[in-house]
Amino acid sequence: AQSVTQLGSHVSVSEGALVLLRCNYSSSVPPYLFWYVQYPNQGLQLLLKYTTGATLVKGINGFEAEFKKSETSFHLTKPSAHMSDAAEYFCAVSDKAAGNKLTFGGGTRVLVKP
Amino acid sequence: GAGVSQSPSNKVTEKGKDVELRCDPISGHTALYWYRQSLGQGLEFLIYFQGNSAPDKSGLPSDRFSAERTGGSVSTLTIQRTQQEDSAVYLCASSLEGGGSSSFGSGTRLTVV
Repeated sequence: AQSVTQLGSHVSVSEGALVLLRCNYSSSVPPYLFWYVQYPNQGLQLLLKYTTGATLVKGINGFEAEFKKSETSFHLTKPSAHMSDAAEYFCAVSDKAAGNKLTFGGGTRVLVKP
Repeated sequence: GAGVSQSPSNKVTEKGKDVELRCDPISGHTALYWYRQSLGQGLEFLIYFQGNSAPDKSGLPSDRFSAERTGGSVSTLTIQRTQQEDSAVYLCASSLEGGGSSSFGSGTRLTVV
């Protein structure tokens, strides 16, 4: 079975500071990895994904994540936080054999302080 | 283009009543998923449809929950004899076969009173 752990249910950052959201996964097969963002009262929006190839993945809104197989991690970063980044972020894992259904982490709520 | 559409956006129902939630996936997406988001359980997979294959129902929490997908497009999630613990946001997602990423609807917020 697959699982995802997100360290920290809440993160507070200052505007302009680095955003770092941690995600570790377990999977018995090569995983597909995703980060989704959810704004209040909205659905999930895909930020970025890793399937194969380059381990550093760039996404929308200046976010990027690096797949580190040896550490079973897929941490999300953004060099400079913006007020509009305040939202909840979910890391997820899937595998094609499982029909690409997603297993999500518990989510990290990001607060951006002016 | 049009995204995944869910209706209603909000539903309040009395305990014991049946409810139907609807999902219109993105045109051409053969895979359709239902997830549930609740405070206590986070985001949970419920059911998955892929083309004409038998659905993967492994995430349905009880036999009160069922779903169908007609004509490979629209899907309906039905909850019978609703209970207060069914209160949650129900999210639908669709993807291309083997696409590896899903597009989500805005969800239906179900409140059972």
